Amino acid sequence: SQTIHQWPATLVQPVGSPLSLECTVEGTSNPNLYWYRQAAGRGLQLLFYSVGIGQISSEVPQNLSASRPQDRQFILSSKKLLLSDSGFYLCAWSVVRGTGANVLTFGAGSRLTVL
Amino acid sequence: GNSVTQMEGPVTLSEEAFLTINCTYTATGYPSLFWYVQYPGEGLQLLLKATKADDKGSNKGFEATYRKETTSFHLEKGSVQVSDSAVYFCALTQTSGSRLTFGEGTQLTVNP
Repeated sequence: SQTIHQWPATLVQPVGSPLSLECTVEGTSNPNLYWYRQAAGRGLQLLFYSVGIGQISSEVPQNLSASRPQDRQFILSSKKLLLSDSGFYLCAWSVVRGTGANVLTFGAGSRLTVL
Repeated sequence: GNSVTQMEGPVTLSEEAFLTINCTYTATGYPSLFWYVQYPGEGLQLLLKATKADDKGSNKGFEATYRKETTSFHLEKGSVQVSDSAVYFCALTQTSGSRLTFGEGTQLTVNP
C-alpha cells in the first residue's frame, strides 16, 4: 500500500534561518507531488507541484523553493525564513490514470513557526 | 479560472443535528468534485468525491450530490457526532488535470 511521510512534524525557527522540509512517498512510482501551505484560519494554497524528477512548477512567487531529487522525494526549502512563512505545510501525492479523477493523498503535515 | 466557494464558518451544532455545508464552484468543462476533511492537528483526508453530474458521493454518513445546473456540491449529514468536529474542504479538479483547487474550508464543531 502507498504511504506518505513528512518531517519534521513541528519546527520553530528564527527569522532569517534556513528551512528544509522533506516528504517521501512509498508504494508507488512516478507520482505527482505537491506542497500546500495552510496559514492560520485560512484555506489551502498550492505552492509547488512536480510531475517528475527535476520538474517543479511554482504557483506563487515567494522566498520558498522546492526540489525533487528522486522520484518519490520532494523537498521544500528556504534560504531565509520570514515571519509570514509560518503555517502548516502539507505534502501530497497523486497518480493520474487515464481520465480518472485526480485524488490527492496528504501527509500528516509540518507545522512551522517563525519567531 | 477555477474557483471554489464554501459557506463561511465556524459552524457549531449539537450532537445529532442535521448538517449542511454549502459549496459552489466555477470551472470550465466537467470538473471532478471532492470533499476533504482535516481533523485537529492532522493532514487532509479524502471524505468523498463525484466525477460527473448527478453523481452522489457518500462516506461515513456524509453525502454530496454533483449538481451541474446549480454548480454546487453541498455536503450533508443527517445526524452529526462529536467526532465529526473538523475542518471540511470542498475542492475540484479538471478531469485530465493535475491540480486541485480548494475552498477556504469550513470549521465544524459538534457539542455533546
